[in-house]
Parts: sequence; C-alpha cells; structure tokens
Amino acid sequence: DVKVTQSSRYLVKRTGEKVFLECVQDMDHENMFWYRQDPGLGLRLIYFSYDVKMKEKGDIPEGYSVSREKKERFSLILESASTNQTSMYLCASSLYAVGVGGSGETQYFGPGTRLLVL
Amino acid sequence: KQEVTQIPAALSVPEGENLVLNCSFTDSAIYNLQWFRQDPGKGLTSLLLIQSSQREQTSGRLNASLDKSSGRSTLYIAASQPGDSATYLCAVSNYGGATNKLIFGTGTLLAVQP
Repeated sequence: DVKVTQSSRYLVKRTGEKVFLECVQDMDHENMFWYRQDPGLGLRLIYFSYDVKMKEKGDIPEGYSVSREKKERFSLILESASTNQTSMYLCASSLYAVGVGGSGETQYFGPGTRLLVL
Repeated sequence: KQEVTQIPAALSVPEGENLVLNCSFTDSAIYNLQWFRQDPGKGLTSLLLIQSSQREQTSGRLNASLDKSSGRSTLYIAASQPGDSATYLCAVSNYGGATNKLIFGTGTLLAVQP
C-alpha cells in the first residue's frame, strides 16, 4: 500500500512566521503535489514536482514555495504566513504525471494538515 | 477552462438504498476521471479511475461510468451502509497548457442513515 504522511495534523502559527509543511511518500513515486482545500472552493493545486529538484506552479502559487531535495520528500513553505493562508493542506503523490493517461496517474493523498494562522 | 460540477451538494439516504452521485465537466478532452472519498477532517482516498477510452469501472459495491461526449460521470453505490457516509469528489485529468493537472469538483456530502 502507498503511504503518504504529513508532518503535522494541526498547526497554529502567527502572522509573519515562516511555516514548513513536510510530506513523505514511501512508494518511489516520481510526482508529488501540494493542494489546499477550502469550503466552497474545493481542492486547488499550489505546486507540483515531477522529479527531484524540479517544480511547477499550480493554480495558486502566490505566497508559497516548495522544495524537493529527495525523491520521497516534498516540502511546502509559507515564507511569511498570512491569515488568508488558513486552510487544510493536502499532499499527494503519483507514479505517473497527469496527462499520461493510465492507472498510474492515481493520486494518493496524505491525511492533511489543518493550518490556522492568527 | 475546464469546470467540474457535482450535484447534489448533499444527499441523505436510509441504509440499504442504492444511490447515484453525479459529476459533469465542461471540456470533454480529458485523459481520465477519478472518484475519491474523503472522511471528515482527513485526506482523500482514491476509489476508481476510469480512463478516457473506458465506459465504466467497478469495485465491490461501487460502479463508475463515464460518458465523455456528454461530459458526465456517475458513481453508483449499491446497498448503501452508514460506513459509506463521507464526501465524494470527482476529478478529471486535463491538459492545461504548460501544466497537466487534476481538476476537482466541490464534492457531494453523503449521509447514510442507519
């Protein structure tokens, strides 16, 4: 079974703090993703990575950066947290990239990190 | 721009009923469609993936169909159980210019009453 873990289930931070969210997968997947989920807006892609040290912007990258130094680990960084970044953050991984068109595109999600910025 | 809509937003049924959840998408040029389940406060669990060349996929009491030309998918749940209570999300795999990505609907919240 694919396992995707996230470093924290709940986080409370202050405005202006630097925040690190960590995600680790154990299935040697090439692709990793960071989403945020907000009521009424659904899941929105922040960033994704298709290889070590490679990253691509998603739909809402502003205010975020990412790091992928090792294949199994993908970090989301909030350089200066703001209250509008209060959200549920979900990490996912997949064997193949979106658009390949096969079952390997299935994305496996972590349990999520609920972040509150005060 | 691809848009994914799920109707209804919420559904409550008595235990044992068969039910259908709907998903529609505006751009039929998709690679595949996935159905996910999300329990409250948790991550998503993949249920079924239908490739664009397929018409349906089955897993246990779940059956998902895809009609690409009309931009519709349905998730059929047979003999519903209280443990099926969750939010069900559909997502399409779509070419988006420089970025291929999954585009999600906002989900259907299902409550199965014992």
